[in-house]
Amino acid sequence: DIQMTQSPSSLSASVGDRVTITCRASQDLSNSLAWYQQKPGKAPKLLLYATSRLESGVPSRFSGSGSGTDYTLTISSLQPEDFTTYYCQQYYSIPWTFGQGTKVEIK
Amino acid sequence: EVQLVESGGGLVQPGGSLRLSCATSGFSFSNYWMHWVRQAPGKGLEWVSRINNDEYYTNYADSVEGRFTISRDNAKNILYLQMNSLRAEDTAVYYCARARPSGYDYWGQGTLVTVSS
Repeated sequence: DIQMTQSPSSLSASVGDRVTITCRASQDLSNSLAWYQQKPGKAPKLLLYATSRLESGVPSRFSGSGSGTDYTLTISSLQPEDFTTYYCQQYYSIPWTFGQGTKVEIK
Repeated sequence: EVQLVESGGGLVQPGGSLRLSCATSGFSFSNYWMHWVRQAPGKGLEWVSRINNDEYYTNYADSVEGRFTISRDNAKNILYLQMNSLRAEDTAVYYCARARPSGYDYWGQGTLVTVSS
């Protein structure tokens, strides 16, 4: 199984800040990496796929980059609705595995 | 509008069984692979199982292999998860999700399974 190591596990930031979340895979994913946002009590929501492709309807302040084993989610200017939890996921091989999650909290 | 609605969760004793359902609408169900993903209380997301669009191909997480069975009824647009020999560590919210080759684009709202005596 491919292990996904996401960091940090939590971070504190303010509205308007730029934040970056990192995901490292135990093997090359060939860009088969997605990011999800999950709000409390709700199902995850797809934000980006194929490392950097924005899902329809997702604000452009979300962006992704990376290659090989290292990937990044960046929120360019945090909005109040962005304070929640984010997960990376690899779909390169079964089982599709997730990072442990990053909780973005208000400073 | 694409909709996925899970049902069938509840409280069950260790060793017991439950069958989860995921009723879908708003898309051509038979064209998509479908997955189950679970989330233990306060924890992260864990892939459970998947089934291809014509039911001939299934995969399971090691943690549920031999105990859970995924199936689908393409005539009724419903996905199932039969869970047997349930353990405390199976306690979680179970989500069904529509799979693209590039991740999950639609999820259900989840159904809570609690395994406890």
